[in-house]
Amino acid sequence: QQPVQSPQAVILREGEDAVINCSSSKALYSVHWYRQKHGEAPVFLMILLKGGEQKGHDKISASFNEKKQQSSLYLTASQLSYSGTYFCGTDLQGAQKLVFGQGTRLTINP
Amino acid sequence: GAVVSQHPSWVICKSGTSVKIECRSLDFQATTMFWYRQFPKQSLMLMATSNEGSKATYEQGVEKDKFLINHASLTLSTLTVTSAHPEDSSFYICSAPVESGEQFFGPGTRLTVL
Repeated sequence: QQPVQSPQAVILREGEDAVINCSSSKALYSVHWYRQKHGEAPVFLMILLKGGEQKGHDKISASFNEKKQQSSLYLTASQLSYSGTYFCGTDLQGAQKLVFGQGTRLTINP
Repeated sequence: GAVVSQHPSWVICKSGTSVKIECRSLDFQATTMFWYRQFPKQSLMLMATSNEGSKATYEQGVEKDKFLINHASLTLSTLTVTSAHPEDSSFYICSAPVESGEQFFGPGTRLTVL
């Protein structure tokens, strides 16, 4: 079952914040977040494991609500380099087999 | 992070020919690798799981006789698209997980079938 991401697209000015949500209908073992730029492969951002986690690096952080089967990615004080399509990938059983959401296209304008 | 390479970066072939794509883990060993396909402006769709020393497992709807996977060593998996047709044109990406659970993607191979 493909997780559902929201919003589908968002346009920001540089310095603004963004939140991208990922919701699953099934219990999750882990959630993975990636950013993909046009014509390139996805780049790993972070992984959150079941048990409920929050993680952050620089101005990008994420949370995982195991009970709600939801994860959110937070982008703070966005930079132009943050532009791209963000995907969440969900692992149901710990087999590292990821099912990806449909993606959220983030555009950062100067 | 770990490094995964793919070769070639792009390939153009005629309909009916076979194309081989290599995926290598450069600085770690990968007993498992994954192959994805991505059509323009769409998400990544898992095609199959490549297992070193055993047969690959394919996702529902993926023809195993058309997409041949061989995991020859702990650092190499190959995907061969047999008798390629224009509808097989896509971006093919492999990934490999490391021990901590993080999964790293190769740079992808863009296949165009004329």
